[in-house]
Amino acid sequence: KAGVTQTPRYLIKTRGQQVTLSCSPISGHRSVSWYQQTPGQGLQFLFEYFSETQRNKGNFPGRFSGRQFSNSRSEMNVSTLELGDSALYLCASRPTVATNEKLFFGSGTQLSVL
Amino acid sequence: ILNVEQSPQSLHVQEGDSTNFTCSFPSSNFYALHWYRWETAKSPEALFVMTLNGDEKKKGRISATLNTKEGYSYLYIKGSQPEDSATYLCAPNTSYGKLTFGQGTILTVHP
Repeated sequence: KAGVTQTPRYLIKTRGQQVTLSCSPISGHRSVSWYQQTPGQGLQFLFEYFSETQRNKGNFPGRFSGRQFSNSRSEMNVSTLELGDSALYLCASRPTVATNEKLFFGSGTQLSVL
Repeated sequence: ILNVEQSPQSLHVQEGDSTNFTCSFPSSNFYALHWYRWETAKSPEALFVMTLNGDEKKKGRISATLNTKEGYSYLYIKGSQPEDSATYLCAPNTSYGKLTFGQGTILTVHP
């Protein structure tokens, strides 16, 4: 069974641009969540989607948005990029949103904003 | 904002030593407690998910306990090996579907 796939692996953008990251979950998994990892901040929750609906959202500005498609693939968009958006973005999938289900993480997208 | 504390922040041990880390979290509205291991250049990998007070889980040389009433979990590694070197993250689930990760404990096992 293929794991969680994130594309692209690396991305370099300049301030003010926008970016779209993609995440394909494990087959059969209907929940996809997104996290931001920055040095000193740890993994910060962005949002979680289940069956194309956003279920939870973290404390990030409206420039961060996402969506989920009917095949459970998810995209995350960041508009008007700022230097502080440079980070590793991880997505994770699981079959449902049951609290006892573990997350399966992708390899991440390393975003650099210049 | 949920306050999840992990201690120590980092730990250096010798091969063969046993070690343990702590994860503290608010005990109210508790649903589950996740532990993940994150090795350098890899993705975080789930170790345990615990839901009940008094839960104990074991996977090889690694085990974990949970106290939901006082809001803490311990992770134990018996006979540490260099391949155990990683960042260990805990994440309580206190809002349905939303995990809040701690800063992690960085473990380095020296041969």
